[in-house]
Order: sequence, then C-alpha cells, then structure tokens
Amino acid sequence: DAEITQSPRHKITETGRQVTLACHQTWNHNNMFWYRQDLGHGLRLIHYSYGVQDTNKGEVSDGYSVSRSNTEDLPLTLESAASSQTSVYFCASSESTQREAFFGQGTRLTVV
Amino acid sequence: SQQGEEDPQALSIQEGENATMNCSYKTSINNLQWYRQNSGRGLVHLILIRSNEREKHSGRLRVTLDTSKKSSSLLITASRAADTASYFCATDYNYGQNFVFGPGTRLSVLP
Repeated sequence: DAEITQSPRHKITETGRQVTLACHQTWNHNNMFWYRQDLGHGLRLIHYSYGVQDTNKGEVSDGYSVSRSNTEDLPLTLESAASSQTSVYFCASSESTQREAFFGQGTRLTVV
Repeated sequence: SQQGEEDPQALSIQEGENATMNCSYKTSINNLQWYRQNSGRGLVHLILIRSNEREKHSGRLRVTLDTSKKSSSLLITASRAADTASYFCATDYNYGQNFVFGPGTRLSVLP
C-alpha cells in the first residue's frame, strides 16, 4: 500500500544546530507540504512543492528550507535551530488540493 | 492569518449523543475538507465537499456547506468513545494550491 513516512519520530537538538527532517511518500503525488502544529495555532504551512525542483514558501517559512530532487522526498531543514521551532512537524502529500491530503505520523522536535 | 476557524474549540458529550462542530472561512474556495486527528497521530481525511454541493454524507458523518455565509458544519451522529479526537477543517485557500487549516475542535466523547 502507498504511504507517507516521516523520520525521525522524535528529535532533540541544541540551539544553533542544523536539523533535517525527512518525508518520503510512495503515492507518486506531485504536491507535498510541510506543516508545523502548535497548541492554539492549528497547522501552519511552512513550505510546499508542486513537483521536482519546485519549492514555495508558506505562512511560516523563516528559518526553514526544503529541496525537491525527486517525486518521493521533501526534506525539511532547519538551518540554525531555535527554541521557537520546538513543535510537531507534519508532512503531507496530495494529488491536488481538489483531492484529499495524506499525512505522515509527525515528527516531534525539541530544541534545547 | 488562518483561513478557517472551527467552533467550538472544545466539545464534551456523552456517548450516543450527536456532535456538531462548525467552520468559518474567509475567501472563495473550490472545496472544503474535514480531517480527524487522534492524539499523537497524523491527520486523517474524513470528507470533502465541493463549493457547488450543500450537503454530503459519509456513514455517521454529515457535512453541510453554505458558501454565502462562508461556513461549514460537521455533524457526527450517535457518537462513540472512539470519536474522541481533534477535528479540523481545511480549504483550498482562495482557489489556491494549498490546504489551509483552522485551529481545530477538540471533541471528547465520554462513555
């Protein structure tokens, strides 16, 4: 069965370090998204991609970057982790926004 | 700014009762979707309703959409303890290519 997986599930890192969160989907979807979820804010869009070599900034993109070298993967990089980036991160993919999105299980990141 | 806002923020009911939660949004949309999130898990798609539809059913779920009021409601009938979760609405913001989510409604179904 097709799926979308995130790794790691939990990560603790120190302020200032570079961190990369992985997202891999086997749906063959062109659209991929990264969200962060914080209490009281719901899900906020960080970056998204419509296909290989395409990346776009979302609502809360400062301090994050993504790259799309193939259809299956959209890694999220925190260039210099900050305590404000402690959050739960979700990756999602979809055929289009006129269809459902499929979510990974999330990565809980703690920046100390 | 968030596109969708769910109401209420939290809802507690007894098993067997119906649960209704609402979503309001700000811009034009092609569709509105509802998702469920169990604690510590990813979001799971429940139902999609298009802008030219007024009501849609899926099992114990009933979704309505009023584009003139820019609002939607999700009704869960005969609720079960397993329905305890957070529920989110999402829209394709301004006919766009992104899903924009509201802050969610936390539903607790008490046995």
